[in-house]
Amino acid sequence: RKEVEQDPGPFNVPEGATVAFNCTYSNSASQSFFWYRQDCRKEPKLLMSVYSSGNEDGRFTAQLNRASQYISLLIRDSKLSDSATYLCVVNNAGNMLTFGGGTRLMVKP
Amino acid sequence: DAEITQSPRHKITETGRQVTLACHQTWNHNNMFWYRQDLGHGLRLIHYSYGVQDTNKGEVSDGYSVSRSNTEDLPLTLESAASSQTSVYFCASSSTANTGELFFGEGSRLTVL
Repeated sequence: RKEVEQDPGPFNVPEGATVAFNCTYSNSASQSFFWYRQDCRKEPKLLMSVYSSGNEDGRFTAQLNRASQYISLLIRDSKLSDSATYLCVVNNAGNMLTFGGGTRLMVKP
Repeated sequence: DAEITQSPRHKITETGRQVTLACHQTWNHNNMFWYRQDLGHGLRLIHYSYGVQDTNKGEVSDGYSVSRSNTEDLPLTLESAASSQTSVYFCASSSTANTGELFFGEGSRLTVL
């Protein structure tokens, strides 16, 4: 079993739709969690951290469920520019991050 | 502005050749990492360093080596390139204070024939 698992997608949604991705992690001792965004043929970039109480940044909401060991990302009012691959990332110990395989989102006009 | 740069961005080489991918960051970050990204596997950690003269093996370190002689650079060497090492390689750095935010280079696409 992979340490961090994501549905690879693609998720095809129309502009304006709400879409949600989940990610599960296997290490119950994992300490911190993040979502990164990666555009096609580009480097990954930090989208947002995921806090225990949940957090929101504009149209993006991240949630953490430690009991079930999953993380979610909700995108409201999808834009064409949201089309990308979203990477779930977990910090188990020290300064090392473990990446999920990514979920591809395609927002259509 | 601070940045992290990789070179070369694209390289084609032959099996058995030694290849070195350069990574240079001006963030003054202590932590530096090398990942490879392949379809179906996502990003996998090759080697990492927490400071000068410190190097550590990651998940997929066989066939690769790194050295850290200064804060800015972490070159990745493939001692004897194999076709299985055809991949996109990303270098990244982070500060000790904020380990969750990795700053990535633009990637180096390596093809081993």
